Formats: sequence, structure tokens, C-alpha cells
Amino acid sequence: ETGVTQSPTHLIKTRGQQVTLRCSSQSGHNTVSWYQQALGQGPQFIFQYYREEENGRGNFPPRFSGLQFPNYSSELNVNALELDDSALYLCASSTQGTGELFFGEGSRLTVL
Amino acid sequence: GESVGLHLPTLSVQEGDNSIINCAYSNSASDYFIWYKQESGKGPQFIIDIRSNMDKRQGQRVTVLLNKTVKHLSLQIAATQPGDSAVYFCAEIPTSGTYKYIFGTGTRLKVLA
Repeated sequence: ETGVTQSPTHLIKTRGQQVTLRCSSQSGHNTVSWYQQALGQGPQFIFQYYREEENGRGNFPPRFSGLQFPNYSSELNVNALELDDSALYLCASSTQGTGELFFGEGSRLTVL
Repeated sequence: GESVGLHLPTLSVQEGDNSIINCAYSNSASDYFIWYKQESGKGPQFIIDIRSNMDKRQGQRVTVLLNKTVKHLSLQIAATQPGDSAVYFCAEIPTSGTYKYIFGTGTRLKVLA
């Protein structure tokens, strides 16, 4: 069974740039959720995707957007990067209707 | 608003002793709670969960207790080992259908040899 994989693991961007983070869900899972984890904090819900559509969103501005593909993999896009966007971005997959999330190792984004 | 918080940011425990990590939640509508362990540089790892119709659930060396009256959740780790050193998060899942997890800040558990 393949777990949740994310890429890249680390990246550095400058303010105003755009970034795309990628996630492959665990085999058999049809739902992907994205979380932002600032240093020393708990993960904060960004949004969830199911059947290629956004299925719930947290308190994040529209410059945070996502996609889910037919194979259930997903992308997180962040436009107009700000310094406060520096964080660990976690992807988690699950099966719709069940509660347990399986997290990837995360993509650590540094915005300079 | 919704919040999940932890009483102690850092907990130091002697190897072999039992650990108790506490968590308070504020949304009485939540019906599902999970404890996660996060080691440095890794994603959160599921430890144990509990639904609101239960007050206790046991796993291997871990027990979760839920007190809905005071909106309190705890994780007990028996015979704490060095490998248990990590940050522990409780997560609350409101009954919104989206399975939006609300995480607390986390408690760092340090196991002393």
C-alpha cells in the first residue's frame, strides 16, 4: 500500500511569487485535504477536495487554490506569496465518509 | 469561535513512567476526536481516536479519555519509551460533514533516560 507522498519536500520562494505543491493520495482514498502548519503551531485546515471539487474551506484567502485530478492526486497553489506563508504544508488523504486522515511528510515552504 | 487547546506545552517524563497529555475543546457539537503524534520533520501520525458516544478507548500502550461534561480529552501513554518523544496534537472534528480537523497547538513530550 502506497502512502501519501508530497513534492517538493523543501522549497524557497520570494514574496510575490507563486508556488505549486503536489500530493499523491494513498491508494484507495478519494478525498484530499490540505493543511498549513506554521512553526510551533498545529495544522490549520485550508481546504478539502472530493470528486475534483472543493468540499469545504478554512479561513484562507482566495490566493490559496487547489485542484484534484481524476486519479485523486491534488495540487495546492498559492499566488502572491507573503512572508507569513512560510510553513509546512501537509496533504492528507482519506475516504469520503470516514474520519481518519493519513498525512504525508509535508512540503516546507520558505518565503523570503 | 472554535478552538482546541492544550494545558501544557512541554511535558518531560522519565522513561518507563506513564505520560498524560491533556486537551480542552470548545465545540460541544464535535463528535469525533483524534490524537496525532508528530516527530520532527515528519507529518502527523494517527495514534488513537474516539467518538463522542464513548468515554474511553484503549489501544496498544495508549488510552484516550473523553469527558464531554467539561469538554476535556486526554491521552495516556503507558511505560513511556524514548521513541514516544514527539509533539502530540489532539484534533476535533465537528459534525459538519467536511471532516475539517481543528488541531490544538500541541504538547511536546520529552522522555528522559
